Amino acid sequence: AQSVTQLDSQVPVFEEAPVELRCNYSSSVSVYLFWYVQYPNQGLQLLLKYLSGSTLVKGINGFEAEFNKSQTSFHLRKPSVHISDTAEYFCAVSDFIQGAQKLVFGQGTRLTINP
Amino acid sequence: DAGVTQSPTHLIKTRGQQVTLRCSPKSGHDTVSWYQQALGQGPQFIFQYYEEEERQRGNFPDRFSGHQFPNYSSELNVNALLLGDSALYLCASSLVASYEEQYFGPGTRLTVT
Repeated sequence: AQSVTQLDSQVPVFEEAPVELRCNYSSSVSVYLFWYVQYPNQGLQLLLKYLSGSTLVKGINGFEAEFNKSQTSFHLRKPSVHISDTAEYFCAVSDFIQGAQKLVFGQGTRLTINP
Repeated sequence: DAGVTQSPTHLIKTRGQQVTLRCSPKSGHDTVSWYQQALGQGPQFIFQYYEEEERQRGNFPDRFSGHQFPNYSSELNVNALLLGDSALYLCASSLVASYEEQYFGPGTRLTVT
């Protein structure tokens, strides 16, 4: 079974500073990876996904992530954060059992932007 | 194009009671998955429905059951509620043959007292 580890439970940064949220997944032959964002009292919104192809994936709101197969990582980055980026971020991997896809999530990283 | 909708938004129940949560998938989607998100945790997979059948189930007791209707909407039922069932319940929809993302609804916040 797949698993995901988000290495930081909380990440505080100043506005306009760069940020990296770390994610490692368990190794698999093929892997589909996702980053979701959850704003307070809301559901999950997809930021970006890696299915195949280029290892650098660009998403919404200026976020990007790099798939690194040798290090089994899928870290999320943004060069300059805004107050509005304050939210919980979840890394997820697809796990297929008998043709059914389920998402396996990490514990989440709370990103706090300070002015 | 309507996204995933869930009802109710919030719910307060007493231990031992039963609850039913509802979900309508994104237009064009045929598969519904349910997740439980406890406070401060990542979502945990409960089960998935396709063609009105449960396709896959996570590590949840039989108190958790579901149903999918011909219009692809779905219900999650929880019997004999425990305090530990307090959580945000998320519904996600997708296409059965797709390995792409699942689209999530806003969730139902269940509080068991």
